[in-house]
Amino acid sequence: AQSVTQPDIHITVSEGASLELRCNYSYGATPYLFWYVQSPGQGLQLLLKYFSGDTLVQGIKGFEAEFKRSQSSFNLRKPSVHWSDAAEYFCAVAPYNQGGKLIFGQGTELSVKP
Amino acid sequence: EAGVTQFPSHSVIEKGQTVTLRCDPISGHDNLYWYRRVMGKEIKFLLHFVKESKQDESGMPNNRFLAERTGGTYSTLKVQPAELEDSGVYFCASSLTGPPNKQGSNTEAFFGQGTRLTVV
Repeated sequence: AQSVTQPDIHITVSEGASLELRCNYSYGATPYLFWYVQSPGQGLQLLLKYFSGDTLVQGIKGFEAEFKRSQSSFNLRKPSVHWSDAAEYFCAVAPYNQGGKLIFGQGTELSVKP
Repeated sequence: EAGVTQFPSHSVIEKGQTVTLRCDPISGHDNLYWYRRVMGKEIKFLLHFVKESKQDESGMPNNRFLAERTGGTYSTLKVQPAELEDSGVYFCASSLTGPPNKQGSNTEAFFGQGTRLTVV
């Protein structure tokens, strides 16, 4: 069965520090991969997506993610975290040919220390 | 341009009652999706409309849930009768043309802020 795992439920980093949020997926073929962010009181916003090609994907707000087929991973990174990045982050996979269905991970809540 | 809007933002109802959630997609978006997040769990797909037709309703938990999209504009999700395990956050999303997972597509699924449903 297709699934997405985000091993870290909650992460705290200091402002200015680097960030890496982990995401592993289980899927038979090359999936379409996404990262979404939900800030308090807001809807989910798309940060970036991977369909094919270059395995390093740039997104909005200074985020990037790297697809590693050998590790079935799609980790999200940011070199320097800002206090406004505090939010919940969701990794998702869209199985091929299943319409618009997204399969989400459990989410990682990010706290930023001043 | 208005985003995806959901009403109400919060709802507290008693077990056995009926609740109707509403989603207004972005104008012109043919594709509309419902998702649910139960406390502490992942966000799960419920169903997908293309205009007024149900394209995929494989995620609907049981027949107490009824989704409609008359006229292909806004959608409602009714829970009748509500049970305790229905508590959670219900998200709606819409996309313009085609599914967001189509290769080469620039289509993005835009999400509303969700409706928090509490059944007591």
